[in-house]
Amino acid sequence: GQQLNQSPQSMFIQEGEDVSMNCTSSSIFNTWLWYKQDPGEGPVLLIALYKAGELTSNGRLTAQFGITRKDSFLNISASIPSDVGIYFCAGQLGGGSNYKLTFGKGTLLTVNP
Amino acid sequence: EAGVTQSPTHLIKTRGQQATLRCSPISGHTSVYWYQQALGLGLQFLLWYDEGEERNRGNFPPRFSGRQFPNYSSELNVNALELEDSALYLCASSLSRSGANVLTFGAGSRLTVL
Repeated sequence: GQQLNQSPQSMFIQEGEDVSMNCTSSSIFNTWLWYKQDPGEGPVLLIALYKAGELTSNGRLTAQFGITRKDSFLNISASIPSDVGIYFCAGQLGGGSNYKLTFGKGTLLTVNP
Repeated sequence: EAGVTQSPTHLIKTRGQQATLRCSPISGHTSVYWYQQALGLGLQFLLWYDEGEERNRGNFPPRFSGRQFPNYSSELNVNALELEDSALYLCASSLSRSGANVLTFGAGSRLTVL
């Protein structure tokens, strides 16, 4: 089955630093999504990518859909304390019965003020 | 607009019992997905319902089952509970399958099996 490798598993950074995390897959996806989960909450969508090579920004967040369709990265610039949480990448193949999302295991981000 | 709502928020059961979790999708969404989030394991896909039918199933035993009602709400049933079933169960909804689907998640139901 499809598997996503997300790295790093956790990060400890100082407020104001930039952050980068990525996901790689053993198979291609047609959609890549990045979610953030706060404690006690469900994941919330940050960025959706629909096309290979696409680079999309949402405020201080930037994500790219890899050309091979097997990878994606998420960058956070000038981190702030409220960026703390677990970040998940997710891939979707689409078509037929493949609309489910396959998730990475998450990156736990801690920001020290 | 109301988001995805799940109930109960917390549920405590003992081994061998049955648990029923409920989910109401965003109005207009016809697809409902269930995921299990156990500690340290990320989100594992359980079930996908669309237009009242089961469309896909993850790698879970048959004691995990569910259904989708005519109003598109959904129920997840877990029979013969085991300790390792303790997890956060997340429900998500999306528009019916047509093009790329963005899933919107509820806050989850925390199941603890003692």
